[in-house]
Amino acid sequence: GENVEQHPSTLSVQEGDSAVIKCTYSDSASNYFPWYKQELGKRPQLIIDIRSNVGEKKDQRIAVTLNKTAKHFSLHITETQPEDSAVYFCAADTGFGNEKLTFGTGTRLTIIP
Amino acid sequence: GAVVSQHPSRVICKSGTSVKIECRSLDFQATTMFWYRQFPKQSLMLMATSNEGSKATYEQGVEKDKFLINHASLTLSTLTVTSAHPEDSSFYICSSLAGGYEQYFGPGTRLTVT
Repeated sequence: GENVEQHPSTLSVQEGDSAVIKCTYSDSASNYFPWYKQELGKRPQLIIDIRSNVGEKKDQRIAVTLNKTAKHFSLHITETQPEDSAVYFCAADTGFGNEKLTFGTGTRLTIIP
Repeated sequence: GAVVSQHPSRVICKSGTSVKIECRSLDFQATTMFWYRQFPKQSLMLMATSNEGSKATYEQGVEKDKFLINHASLTLSTLTVTSAHPEDSSFYICSSLAGGYEQYFGPGTRLTVT
């Protein structure tokens, strides 16, 4: 089955700086890669996703890059703000039209004012 | 976007009792719903995939007789934790598809077994 690894597990950055979180996956059939933000005790919120026919996608301060050959994808947050502090999870589907998601282990991002 | 609700949001039960959690899609029909469990400071772990009108598909290591899933309609799936024990205490989250890849998550149910 799919295995998704995520690094780092914790990340602290100064407000205004950029944050980068990286994930690798194992199943070459995967073709959907969402990123979620989860605040304590709340549901995961989709912040950006990318399909395998695209190498990069950007939405304001958030961008995701995908390298299918290397089987890794990354989340980039620029001009970080205190409200960006949360736990971020990457995920990958299991491919072949199967919509099941395998989640990474999570990254606790702390923005230092 | 699509709205998914869960009930209850919190529940405390005694060891050995059963607890039912409901997951509803409020403004769309969901042929597929997913049930996840999340322990403190850990990731979401898929427990099972629930398809309307058919038996749920459980992930490896998840006891189907302990975690009963029913998806009787296109808007409602239920998870029943039977004979709950303290180690079942966790955050249970459902999600559903509304056509396409994106999963819409419910707000979660925090279960505490005493």
